[in-house]
Parts: sequence; C-alpha cells; structure tokens
Amino acid sequence: GDSVTQMEGPVTLSEEAFLTINCTYTATGYPSLFWYVQYPGEGLQLLLKATKADDKGSNKGFEATYRKETTSFHLEKGSVQVSDSAVYFCALSERNTGFQKLVFGTGTRLLVSP
Amino acid sequence: GAVVSQHPSRVICKSGTSVKIECRSLDFQATTMFWYRQFPKKSLMLMATSNEGSKATYEQGVEKDKFLINHASLTLSTLTVTSAHPEDSSFYICSARRGDGRLQHFGDGTRLSIL
Repeated sequence: GDSVTQMEGPVTLSEEAFLTINCTYTATGYPSLFWYVQYPGEGLQLLLKATKADDKGSNKGFEATYRKETTSFHLEKGSVQVSDSAVYFCALSERNTGFQKLVFGTGTRLLVSP
Repeated sequence: GAVVSQHPSRVICKSGTSVKIECRSLDFQATTMFWYRQFPKKSLMLMATSNEGSKATYEQGVEKDKFLINHASLTLSTLTVTSAHPEDSSFYICSARRGDGRLQHFGDGTRLSIL
C-alpha cells in the first residue's frame, strides 16, 4: 500500500539556520504530495502542495519539489524562525481514491531556538 | 476561506460517558468529511470518511459502534464516542473537502481525556 516516510525528529536548529526535512513516498499511482504543519494544540494547516513531477510548492519561505525519480518531496527553508517551531507532516493522496484519502508520514518536530 | 470549526476543543469526562464532537465547514459545502485520531507523538490515523446523507465508511480496525459518525448536512458532521473509556483518550481531528477538490481543510482538533 501507499506510505510516506519522514525523517525522525526532533530537528533542533538555531534561528536563521537552513532547514531540510526529508520525505520519501511509496505509491501505486501518481499521487499529489502535501506538507502540513501542526502548531501545539491545533489541527493541521496546509503548508504547500505539488500535484505533478518537478512541481515546486512554496509558501511562507518553505519549498518542496516533487521528485518522481527519487520519490521524494523534501521540505526546505533557507532561514528558520522561532515561530516555525511545530510538527511537520508529509502526506500524499492518490487518484485511485479520488484524491480522498490522505496518507500521512509520522511527522517531524522542529524546534527553533533564538 | 475554507474554514473548518471543530467543537469542543477540549473535553474531560468520566469513564462510561458518551461524548459528541462537532465539525462544521463555515464557508463552504463539504460533501465529504473525515475523522482522524492522533496518538501522542504519532501521525494521524484516518478513522472514517463520511459523505453527506450516507453511512460513513470506516477504516479497518475502527469500531463503528464505538465511534458513531453522522453527516446530516453539507456543513456538519458529528463524531460520538460512545461509552468512552480511558483508552479512547486522544486528539481527534476532523477535515472537510469541498466538492471534488483535492484539498482537505482541517479543524483545530478536540483533546478528549477520559478519567
């Protein structure tokens, strides 16, 4: 079945450091890929998405590129802020489920210190 | 746009109580709503998918008699945890999908604590 694998956290960085959170996926078809962010005590917010190979999703300084050849969708940010501290989830949905069912990775906690 | 409201945000109750959680799409009609459960430091587990006016589709291993889902209108779905026990304590999150769109819009979640 479909699955998403994320690097284990927590990832601890100083403010203004470069961030990479790795995400790879296994899918039977041609999925859409997502990054969601969860702040403490809250639900999930869509951070960015990509629906086809080589698409780059970007939002709030975060970027991720859909790499079909390596089945990856790594999240990057050039300069993190304390307010970026949260849990980040990589996810996919497939056409054969009508893009209904989201499959999530286990999440990666990011801690940014001043 | 695409705001989903979930209520209550936190519930603490005694074992054996039934608890109802509401999920509302505030500015769009949600033909499909989803209910997830999140264990501490774990990912989200899809519990069930509900379509307006029809029975919910439950994921394998989820007890449908334990977790009752009703999707009576295009803007409201409810999850009732019946006869809750401490092992049902968790963070429950709903999401809603507009029409045949690919995006799910999430509520802020409900922290359920059963004593």
